[in-house]
Amino acid sequence: GIQVEQSPPDLILQEGANSTLRCNFSDSVNNLQWFHQNPWGQLINLFYIPSGTKQNGRLSATTVATERYSLLYISSSQTTDSGVYFCAVGRTNDMRFGAGTRLTVKP
Amino acid sequence: DAGVIQSPRHEVTEMGQEVTLRCKLISGHNSLFWYRQTMMRGLELLIYFNNNVPIDDSGMPEDRFSAKMPNASFSTLKIQPSEPRDSAVYFCASSLHPYGYTFGSGTRLTVV
Repeated sequence: GIQVEQSPPDLILQEGANSTLRCNFSDSVNNLQWFHQNPWGQLINLFYIPSGTKQNGRLSATTVATERYSLLYISSSQTTDSGVYFCAVGRTNDMRFGAGTRLTVKP
Repeated sequence: DAGVIQSPRHEVTEMGQEVTLRCKLISGHNSLFWYRQTMMRGLELLIYFNNNVPIDDSGMPEDRFSAKMPNASFSTLKIQPSEPRDSAVYFCASSLHPYGYTFGSGTRLTVV
């Protein structure tokens, strides 16, 4: 099956800093989605982005499908951004998850 | 829309008992996915359905697990008999391809 690698595994930031999270995958995909799992365990959809670039407020994402990676950018981080960020990918309707990047934003 | 609704939110049961987890899809979505999350294995896909039909159940750990989708809006995941190693958070998600998943809040299962 498709292998999904996320980096870095852990990231600690001061409030206001910017960050880039990366997702590499081992095969061509038709589906790619970024999620944020908040400290209460909820999985929140951030972007559905099998290709191209999208922005939503302080967050943006870019997927370069031909090179098999996606990037999630967080600007001006806030403490509420803390949690685990997951990338999920798939060739068909189902998706496989990476191990996630645990982000801690300190005040 | 109320989103994907899972019940119960928490379940504590004794080893050997039957456990049934429930999931209500978002209206109009035609795909349903069951995932399990543990510290050791992360988020694993157990089974998914398209238009009420099971497509891939290769992630179901063993015969003690079964899933059904009796209609277009509802699904159950059953574990019988339950074992302590089944303790995990179970999520369901629904989608209307190609718009990505929406997850429910999960069921935290503890088998003692």
